[in-house]
Amino acid sequence: NAGVTQTPKFRILKIGQSMTLQCTQDMNHNYMYWYRQDPGMGLKLIYYSVGAGITDKGEVPNGYNVSRSTTEDFPLRLELAAPSQTSVYFCASSRTPGQGAHEQYFGPGTRLTVT
Amino acid sequence: DQQVKQNSPSLSVQEGRISILNCDYTNSMFDYFLWYKKYPAEGPTFLISISSIKDKNEDGRFTVFLNKSAKHLSLHIVPSQPGDSAVYFCAASEDAGKSTFGDGTTLTVKP
Repeated sequence: NAGVTQTPKFRILKIGQSMTLQCTQDMNHNYMYWYRQDPGMGLKLIYYSVGAGITDKGEVPNGYNVSRSTTEDFPLRLELAAPSQTSVYFCASSRTPGQGAHEQYFGPGTRLTVT
Repeated sequence: DQQVKQNSPSLSVQEGRISILNCDYTNSMFDYFLWYKKYPAEGPTFLISISSIKDKNEDGRFTVFLNKSAKHLSLHIVPSQPGDSAVYFCAASEDAGKSTFGDGTTLTVKP
Protein backbone atom coordinates (compact mmCIF):
# COMPACT_ATOMS: atom_id res chain seq x y z
CA ASN A 1 0.00 0.00 0.00
CA ALA A 2 2.01 2.97 -1.31
CA GLY A 3 -0.48 5.67 -0.20
CA VAL A 4 -0.10 8.89 -2.21
CA THR A 5 2.74 9.07 -4.69
CA GLN A 6 3.94 12.13 -6.59
CA THR A 7 6.31 12.54 -9.50
CA PRO A 8 8.69 14.18 -10.11
CA LYS A 9 10.35 14.98 -6.78
CA PHE A 10 12.19 18.00 -8.19
CA ARG A 11 11.89 20.03 -11.37
CA ILE A 12 13.38 23.22 -12.76
CA LEU A 13 11.34 25.00 -15.42
CA LYS A 14 12.10 27.99 -17.57
CA ILE A 15 9.58 30.83 -17.66
CA GLY A 16 6.84 30.02 -20.15
CA GLN A 17 7.36 26.26 -20.14
CA SER A 18 4.59 23.84 -19.19
CA MET A 19 4.56 20.65 -17.17
CA THR A 20 2.29 18.15 -15.45
CA LEU A 21 2.73 17.09 -11.85
CA GLN A 22 1.53 13.53 -11.37
CA CYS A 23 -0.36 12.25 -8.32
CA THR A 24 -1.66 8.73 -7.69
CA GLN A 25 -3.32 7.18 -4.64
CA ASP A 26 -4.09 3.52 -3.99
CA MET A 27 -6.46 3.93 -1.04
CA ASN A 28 -9.63 4.21 -3.15
CA HIS A 29 -10.27 7.69 -1.76
CA ASN A 30 -12.91 9.76 -3.50
CA TYR A 31 -11.49 13.15 -2.47
CA MET A 32 -8.19 14.45 -3.79
CA TYR A 33 -6.47 17.81 -3.38
CA TRP A 34 -3.57 19.87 -4.68
CA TYR A 35 -1.81 22.34 -2.40
CA ARG A 36 1.18 24.60 -2.73
CA GLN A 37 3.41 25.61 0.16
CA ASP A 38 5.56 28.71 -0.09
CA PRO A 39 8.46 29.20 2.36
CA GLY A 40 7.28 29.96 5.90
CA MET A 41 3.66 29.67 4.90
CA GLY A 42 0.88 27.15 5.28
CA LEU A 43 -0.67 25.05 2.57
CA LYS A 44 -2.86 26.84 0.06
CA LEU A 45 -5.49 24.81 -1.79
CA ILE A 46 -5.16 25.01 -5.58
CA TYR A 47 -7.79 22.55 -6.81
CA TYR A 48 -9.72 19.65 -5.37
CA SER A 49 -11.87 16.79 -6.63
CA VAL A 50 -14.71 14.91 -4.95
CA GLY A 51 -14.66 12.05 -7.42
CA ALA A 52 -13.76 11.02 -10.95
CA GLY A 53 -14.93 13.62 -13.44
CA ILE A 54 -15.55 16.31 -10.82
CA THR A 55 -13.09 19.09 -10.00
CA ASP A 56 -13.38 22.51 -8.39
CA LYS A 57 -11.21 25.52 -7.70
CA GLY A 58 -9.58 26.14 -4.38
CA GLU A 59 -8.06 29.31 -2.99
CA VAL A 60 -5.26 29.84 -5.57
CA PRO A 61 -6.25 28.22 -8.92
CA ASN A 62 -4.87 30.79 -11.37
CA GLY A 63 -2.19 29.38 -13.68
CA TYR A 64 -3.15 25.76 -13.04
CA ASN A 65 -5.49 23.14 -14.45
CA VAL A 66 -6.53 19.70 -13.27
CA SER A 67 -8.39 16.66 -14.52
CA ARG A 68 -9.72 13.55 -12.76
CA SER A 69 -10.46 10.76 -15.19
CA THR A 70 -9.95 7.95 -12.65
CA THR A 71 -10.32 7.57 -8.89
CA GLU A 72 -6.59 6.96 -8.54
CA ASP A 73 -5.05 9.83 -10.54
CA PHE A 74 -5.24 13.59 -10.15
CA PRO A 75 -2.64 15.37 -12.33
CA LEU A 76 -1.93 19.10 -11.99
CA ARG A 77 -1.03 21.00 -15.14
CA LEU A 78 1.02 24.21 -15.15
CA GLU A 79 0.71 26.24 -18.33
CA LEU A 80 3.13 29.09 -19.06
CA ALA A 81 5.18 28.72 -15.88
CA ALA A 82 5.97 31.93 -13.98
CA PRO A 83 8.49 32.61 -11.17
CA SER A 84 5.53 33.08 -8.78
CA GLN A 85 4.80 29.36 -9.21
CA THR A 86 8.08 28.41 -7.57
CA SER A 87 6.88 26.39 -4.59
CA VAL A 88 6.52 22.93 -3.11
CA TYR A 89 3.42 21.16 -4.36
CA PHE A 90 1.61 18.55 -2.30
CA CYS A 91 -1.10 16.18 -3.42
CA ALA A 92 -3.43 14.67 -0.83
CA SER A 93 -6.41 12.37 -0.65
CA SER A 94 -9.13 11.59 1.88
CA ARG A 95 -12.19 9.48 2.40
CA THR A 96 -15.51 11.18 1.83
CA PRO A 97 -15.96 13.71 4.67
CA GLY A 98 -19.12 13.25 6.68
CA GLN A 99 -18.24 9.61 7.21
CA GLY A 100 -16.33 10.69 10.30
CA ALA A 101 -13.03 11.01 8.48
CA HIS A 102 -11.65 14.41 7.58
CA GLU A 103 -7.94 13.63 7.71
CA GLN A 104 -5.97 13.91 4.54
CA TYR A 105 -3.08 11.71 3.43
CA PHE A 106 -0.28 13.59 1.72
CA GLY A 107 2.30 12.68 -0.86
CA PRO A 108 5.98 13.56 -0.39
CA GLY A 109 5.76 16.71 -2.50
CA THR A 110 7.26 18.09 -5.71
CA ARG A 111 9.75 20.95 -5.38
CA LEU A 112 9.36 23.21 -8.43
CA THR A 113 11.63 26.10 -9.37
CA VAL A 114 10.76 28.45 -12.24
CA THR A 115 13.64 30.62 -13.49
CA ASP B 1 -8.14 37.50 5.76
CA GLN B 2 -6.50 34.44 7.25
CA GLN B 3 -9.15 32.17 8.77
CA VAL B 4 -6.73 29.92 10.66
CA LYS B 5 -3.86 31.51 12.53
CA GLN B 6 -0.91 30.06 14.38
CA ASN B 7 0.61 33.11 15.99
CA SER B 8 3.82 31.48 17.21
CA PRO B 9 6.17 30.67 14.32
CA SER B 10 8.45 28.70 16.64
CA LEU B 11 8.55 27.02 20.04
CA SER B 12 11.47 25.49 21.91
CA VAL B 13 11.04 23.14 24.88
CA GLN B 14 13.19 20.81 26.92
CA GLU B 15 12.85 17.07 26.51
CA GLY B 16 10.34 15.65 28.99
CA ARG B 17 8.46 18.92 29.42
CA ILE B 18 5.09 19.88 27.96
CA SER B 19 4.77 21.47 24.52
CA ILE B 20 1.69 23.62 23.91
CA LEU B 21 0.92 24.74 20.39
CA ASN B 22 -1.89 27.18 19.80
CA CYS B 23 -4.26 27.92 16.95
CA ASP B 24 -7.04 30.49 16.48
CA TYR B 25 -9.77 30.53 13.85
CA THR B 26 -12.37 33.02 12.70
CA ASN B 27 -14.90 31.01 10.69
CA SER B 28 -17.69 29.73 12.94
CA MET B 29 -18.73 27.26 10.22
CA PHE B 30 -15.65 25.12 10.84
CA ASP B 31 -16.78 21.90 12.47
CA TYR B 32 -13.68 19.74 12.42
CA PHE B 33 -10.14 20.59 13.47
CA LEU B 34 -6.95 18.69 12.75
CA TRP B 35 -3.27 18.81 13.57
CA TYR B 36 -0.62 17.66 11.12
CA LYS B 37 3.08 17.14 11.67
CA LYS B 38 5.66 17.77 8.96
CA TYR B 39 9.30 16.80 8.78
CA PRO B 40 11.64 18.50 6.25
CA ALA B 41 11.36 17.17 2.68
CA GLU B 42 8.29 15.10 3.56
CA GLY B 43 4.56 15.61 3.23
CA PRO B 44 2.44 16.45 6.29
CA THR B 45 1.12 13.50 8.29
CA PHE B 46 -2.09 13.49 10.27
CA LEU B 47 -1.61 13.60 14.03
CA ILE B 48 -4.90 14.11 15.85
CA SER B 49 -8.29 15.70 15.28
CA ILE B 50 -11.34 16.93 17.15
CA SER B 51 -14.94 17.45 16.21
CA SER B 52 -16.65 20.69 17.18
CA ILE B 53 -19.04 18.77 19.42
CA LYS B 54 -16.17 17.83 21.73
CA ASP B 55 -13.80 19.91 23.81
CA LYS B 56 -10.99 17.40 24.24
CA ASN B 57 -9.48 14.48 22.39
CA GLU B 58 -6.55 12.44 23.59
CA ASP B 59 -4.24 10.01 21.80
CA GLY B 60 -1.26 8.83 23.79
CA ARG B 61 1.07 11.77 24.45
CA PHE B 62 -1.04 14.10 22.29
CA THR B 63 -4.15 15.96 23.47
CA VAL B 64 -6.12 18.55 21.55
CA PHE B 65 -8.36 21.02 23.37
CA LEU B 66 -11.08 23.04 21.68
CA ASN B 67 -12.64 26.23 23.08
CA LYS B 68 -15.45 27.07 20.67
CA SER B 69 -16.51 30.27 22.39
CA ALA B 70 -12.96 31.62 22.06
CA LYS B 71 -12.44 30.03 18.62
CA HIS B 72 -9.22 28.58 19.92
CA LEU B 73 -7.61 25.18 19.95
CA SER B 74 -4.38 23.89 21.35
CA LEU B 75 -2.22 20.80 21.03
CA HIS B 76 -0.47 19.49 24.12
CA ILE B 77 2.43 17.06 23.85
CA VAL B 78 3.46 15.40 27.12
CA PRO B 79 6.20 14.42 27.57
CA SER B 80 7.98 16.05 24.65
CA GLN B 81 10.64 14.00 22.88
CA PRO B 82 13.41 15.07 20.46
CA GLY B 83 11.64 13.11 17.69
CA ASP B 84 8.70 15.49 18.08
CA SER B 85 10.80 18.28 16.56
CA ALA B 86 8.91 19.21 13.38
CA VAL B 87 6.55 21.79 11.93
CA TYR B 88 3.00 21.46 13.25
CA PHE B 89 0.08 22.68 11.17
CA CYS B 90 -3.37 23.40 12.49
CA ALA B 91 -6.19 22.88 9.99
CA ALA B 92 -9.93 23.43 10.06
CA SER B 93 -12.63 22.07 7.79
CA GLU B 94 -16.32 22.33 7.11
CA ASP B 95 -18.43 19.37 6.09
CA ALA B 96 -17.42 19.83 2.46
CA GLY B 97 -14.01 18.41 3.30
CA LYS B 98 -11.80 21.29 2.23
CA SER B 99 -9.30 22.20 4.93
CA THR B 100 -7.84 25.59 5.66
CA PHE B 101 -4.33 25.49 7.11
CA GLY B 102 -2.44 27.77 9.42
CA ASP B 103 1.14 28.81 8.64
CA GLY B 104 2.64 26.29 11.04
CA THR B 105 4.68 26.33 14.25
CA THR B 106 8.19 24.89 14.28
CA LEU B 107 8.70 22.88 17.46
CA THR B 108 12.22 22.15 18.66
CA VAL B 109 12.62 19.71 21.54
CA LYS B 110 16.07 19.94 23.08
CA PRO B 111 17.65 16.85 24.68
